[in-house]
Order: sequence, then structure tokens, then C-alpha cells
Amino acid sequence: EAGVTQFPSHSVIEKGQTVTLRCDPISGHDNLYWYRRVMGKEIKFLLHFVKESKQDESGMPNNRFLAERTGGTYSTLKVQPAELEDSGVYFCASSPDYTDTQYFGPGTRLTVL
Amino acid sequence: GDSVTQMEGPVTLSEEAFLTINCTYTATGYPSLFWYVQYPGEGLQLLLKATKADDKGSNKGFEATYRKETTSFHLEKGSVQVSDSAVYFCAPGPSDRGSTLGRLYFGRGTQLTVWP
Repeated sequence: EAGVTQFPSHSVIEKGQTVTLRCDPISGHDNLYWYRRVMGKEIKFLLHFVKESKQDESGMPNNRFLAERTGGTYSTLKVQPAELEDSGVYFCASSPDYTDTQYFGPGTRLTVL
Repeated sequence: GDSVTQMEGPVTLSEEAFLTINCTYTATGYPSLFWYVQYPGEGLQLLLKATKADDKGSNKGFEATYRKETTSFHLEKGSVQVSDSAVYFCAPGPSDRGSTLGRLYFGRGTQLTVWP
């Protein structure tokens, strides 16, 4: 069974540009989560999808971040325009049910210059 | 709100030493508790979990016991190896009180380095 995959693995962009991160969850997992770890700090929750619906987006830092999960399969997280403080590692995770173990992808390291 | 306090690192040990990484949490209800590990250059992997009070999670020689009375989930290993060098994250998860919030609350992570 394939695990959670994320693309790209690394992204380096300039302040003001747009970046889109993609996450493909484990097949059949209705729950998809985005988290972020800024250098040296804790991993913070961003949002939670159940199928294509946003169950909880209370962790999204501001309206420069837009997450979508059309069709309830893969998800994208767009940052527009990117700021320096957006640099960090963005993790995606999926689980069959919200009470189940979350399986994480390898993360996307975003660097905003 | 829910939160977790994890022992700060870095922790440096010699091979075969005993390891303890402390973790305490605050939560509504009785959450499932997880330890995740991130090896160099890799993503987060589930190390072990416990879903109710007094449960002991174990994997790869690591253990952690769900202590409701002290709201703790300390990670232990009797004899660490060089290959255990990684960052360890404690994470309370969803409560059993019917919450629809599935988020995990992570600590800052504890960097462990084991020398031969």
C-alpha cells in the first residue's frame, strides 16, 4: 500500500511569489490533515479535511493560505503571496477515521527568500 | 485549550544508555496519545501509541504508558542505539468525548543523538 506522498519535496521561492503544495493521501482515507513546522518550533496544525469538506481550518494562519481537496482525493495548499515567515516544512497526513492513527508524508520544505 | 509540554533537547547519550523523554499534556477528555519519530532526511513516522488510561504502547524497544492521573506519556528505552538518533515528538490526539476535531497537538520535539 502506497503511503502519503507530497510534492514537491523542496521549494525555494521569492517573497511575493505563489507556491502550491500537493498531498496525495493513502487511498481510501477520508481524513486529510495539513501541519507546518517552522524552524525550531513545534509542529502546528493547519487544517483538517473530511473527504472534500473542511472540517477544521482554525489553524490556517491567514487568508494568504488556501487549501482545497476537490473530489475528496488529493489536496493542494496554495500560499499567495508568500512571505518570509512562511518558510518551514509542510506536512500532510491522512487517516481512515479522525480517531485513527495519522500517517504522515515526507513533508515539503518551503524556503521563501 | 489542549497542549503538550515535551522535554527540551538536545539529548546526547552513549550507546546502550537508558533514555527517558518526558511528555505531559492538557486536554479535554481522554485523548489518544502518540509518539512520532523523524529520522534524518525522512518524514514523521508513528513510533507508538496508547488509546486509554494505563495502556502501554511499545515498538522497537521503546515504551510509553498512558498515565491519566499525571497526564503524562513519557517515552523510555532501556538501551539506545546509534540508529535511534532522531527527533521525537509527543502528540495528544483526538479525545474519546465525541469531538469531531481530529488534530494532533505536537510538542517542540526532542533531538536525540546517540554516540557509539
